[in-house]
Amino acid sequence: QVQLVQSGAEVKKPGSSVKVSCKVSGGTLSNHAISWVRQAPGQGLEWMGGFIPIFGSAKYAQRFQGRVTITADESTSTASMEVTSLRSDDTAVYYCGTSTRPYPTWFDAWGQGTLVTVSS
Amino acid sequence: ERVMTQSPATLSVSPGERAALSCRASQSISSNLAWYQQKPGQAPRLLIYGASTRATGIPVRFSGNGSGTEFTLTINSLQSEDFAVYYCQQYNDWPPITFGQGTRLEIK
Repeated sequence: QVQLVQSGAEVKKPGSSVKVSCKVSGGTLSNHAISWVRQAPGQGLEWMGGFIPIFGSAKYAQRFQGRVTITADESTSTASMEVTSLRSDDTAVYYCGTSTRPYPTWFDAWGQGTLVTVSS
Repeated sequence: ERVMTQSPATLSVSPGERAALSCRASQSISSNLAWYQQKPGQAPRLLIYGASTRATGIPVRFSGNGSGTEFTLTINSLQSEDFAVYYCQQYNDWPPITFGQGTRLEIK
């Protein structure tokens, strides 16, 4: 059973960057695509992008292209997501989720979520 | 991009009754659809994948059906713990993976 543990909550200033990590146990990053999904307060789920092992690289939703970087380090079993040029509307809970395949499918395991607050 | 539309936005049902939640895709997604349950302060929980396959440990009162563009999640004999927000998600065409906007299932 794959388990995901995320880094802790962050408070950031507008214009700064944040990096959230997701440590994977019970599975290997080479066999499981890791996606990042965010949820703004009171809102729904939004896929930001994911690391796709079959490509050996990340794919992103168009609206996050250029501002979000997703990486995966198999040596530490850790995936990371960095968001730059933070704005107040980036305030959200950020989740990592894993697929059972090396490409995105359904997400059968989720991290506990990391709250990122962007405020001056 | 596949746009996923869920209806209704809010559904009020009494405990013990049946709830039917709808999800529509803007274009065919075959059976590449998943359903999730989310409670306040928690991560989403996978219920159904492949449009109709229950995930491990999901009670049999949860069932999914549909293919192409029309999908339904049915919850029989609603229990108190079933009142939550439900999301559908397509994984047929990516990027991006897309979710519906959610249906809130509340106690009538």
